[in-house]
This record gives sequence, C-alpha cells and structure tokens, in this order.
Amino acid sequence: DGGITQSPKYLFRKEGQNVTLSCEQNLNHDAMYWYRQDPGQGLRLIYYSQIVNDFQKGDIAEGYSVSREKKESFPLTVTSAQKNPTAFYLCATKRDSGANVLTFGAGSRLTVL
Amino acid sequence: GENVEQHPSTLSVQEGDSAVIKCTYSDSASNYFPWYKQELGKRPQLIIDIRSNVGEKKDQRIAVTLNKTAKHFSLHITETQPEDSAVYFCAASNSFSGNTGKLIFGQGTTLQVKP
Repeated sequence: DGGITQSPKYLFRKEGQNVTLSCEQNLNHDAMYWYRQDPGQGLRLIYYSQIVNDFQKGDIAEGYSVSREKKESFPLTVTSAQKNPTAFYLCATKRDSGANVLTFGAGSRLTVL
Repeated sequence: GENVEQHPSTLSVQEGDSAVIKCTYSDSASNYFPWYKQELGKRPQLIIDIRSNVGEKKDQRIAVTLNKTAKHFSLHITETQPEDSAVYFCAASNSFSGNTGKLIFGQGTTLQVKP
C-alpha cells in the first residue's frame, strides 16, 4: 500500500449515520490530507494536518471532522450534516520538508443508501 | 484562492499518437505544478512535476511545459501506448505558503489510447 493504509475499502451507510474512515501511515511523514474525489470534479481538499494535535479546514470541510492525536493516524468522520457524502475518499501524506509531493492511499468508497 | 481549470475532460487518441492536456491556474503566486496519473481502481501517483523557475521538463515520453505569463501549463505524452490510458490530474500550489503542501487539483482528464 506504499505505507498508507486506508480502511475500509468500501463502506455503506444509511442516511443520518456518522461514519469514520481510517488512514494510517508508516512513512513518518508529518503532513496528512483528506481529499474527496467525484467524477468530473477532480480532487477536492477536505482537511489537512501539518502536525500532531493541529489541523486546518480545506475547501469543502462542511459536514466533516478530523483528529490528529498521533503522527501515524488521521481519521475522517463523515457526519450526518454532510449533504452528499457518497464519494471516493483519498488520504495522502507529505514530508514536512522538500517538494509538495503527495503520496496517496488506496482510497475508501463511501455509499449512502 | 487558487483555482485550476483542466481541459479536455476526455481525450481519445490512437496508439502511437501524441496527447496534450492543458491546465490554467489563477494564483500568480503558485510555483509548483505536479501531474498525477490515476489508473482505473488505483491511487493517484506523481508522474512529473515542474517548478516555476523552469519552462519545460522531460522524462522519457512525457514532458510538461509552463507559461508563467499566461498562467498555464501542459502535459505532453508522445508515442502513446495502451498503458497510458488513465485519468490525469494537474495541480498547483504555492510552496512558500507556509509549506502546507496544499495542492489544488484540476478536474481531471480521462485519456483513452486505442490499440
């Protein structure tokens, strides 16, 4: 998996339920990101974290929440407030120094029934 | 904030022909422009990138050109092969913006190479 493990790979959720997507990395990278991928819209940034216990909103943070209690872990919670949560979610990491090269996980596909 | 527009959304070429994908960006402070390739069912992977201090960069059959004045950059793939079929994303960032690595992506181009 290139050092980034996302789980689950597929997830089905009923409307009104919160769901948490896991992202774990063993690359010792400082920064971690969550992107949402929809057909024809590219990758849109949800949240990112440059350091433990700190994170910032991206362009589409509404209806999502994150935590960064450990360097290795950056879970994303899709809350019931997210109006259109069905999408493919990608976690990514980046070394703190050097070029802005992102390493992506394999993704989690969330479907709301 | 930064906005990146990518065209075309789909591109179909015959094997052996060239393919060109174009992107424009809005933030003149952007100085780093990567291209990612996402094969069907797989994760995006970096294939080439360019910084604003150069106008062109090549790596075997792929090349990227940058026009800072016009704020656009392009991906060129020569002698296309069926394994080049994938979705390609351009992106832009200002690496000096606190080094957040916050990449803004284009909408993606689905390239189909016909054998």
